Amino acid sequence: RKEVEQDPGPFNVPEGATVAFNCTYSNSASQSFFWYRQDCRKEPKLLMSVYSSGNEDGRFTAQLNRASQYISLLIRDSKLSDSATYLCAVTSSNNAGNMLTFGGGTRLMVKP
Amino acid sequence: SQTIHQWPATLVQPVGSPLSLECTVEGTSNPNLYWYRQAAGRGLQLLFYSVGIGQISSEVPQNLSASRPQDRQFILSSKKLLLSDSGFYLCAWSWVSVGNTIYFGEGSWLTVV
Repeated sequence: RKEVEQDPGPFNVPEGATVAFNCTYSNSASQSFFWYRQDCRKEPKLLMSVYSSGNEDGRFTAQLNRASQYISLLIRDSKLSDSATYLCAVTSSNNAGNMLTFGGGTRLMVKP
Repeated sequence: SQTIHQWPATLVQPVGSPLSLECTVEGTSNPNLYWYRQAAGRGLQLLFYSVGIGQISSEVPQNLSASRPQDRQFILSSKKLLLSDSGFYLCAWSWVSVGNTIYFGEGSWLTVV
């Protein structure tokens, strides 16, 4: 089993739709959680951190479910510009530092 | 503010040739540094990380190596490239504390022919 898993998609949705992605992780000792956005042939950029209580940033809502070991990203009122690959990332501490493990990404395509 | 620069942006190299990718971070000191690789259609794979000058940890055995000659400089090298080394290489940095976000450089596209 992969340490961090995502449905690769693609998720094809119309403009204005609400779409949600999940990301499961296998290490119950995982401490920090993030969502990154990656545009085609570009570097991943931090979209938002995921806090235990859940957090919202405009049209984006991230939630953490420790019992079931998954995080989610909800996008409301999808825009064409939301088309990208969304990567979840999980940090587990080790003796050396801050190790970030990524899921394979979920591709989102928003259509007019 | 902190910035990370990585070069070259793209390169095409023949099989068996050497490789050197460089990365520098500005605006912070003693960061954790990382090299990731993203093969076509695949996820990010951590190759190396460093918590200080001269300290390198390898996550995946391969024909690549990394060095950290200065606090904010990280270099990825190979003596002889393989076709399977093709991919998108990303340098990244974070503050030392656990749980801090990782920030990526713009990446280097390597095609081995």
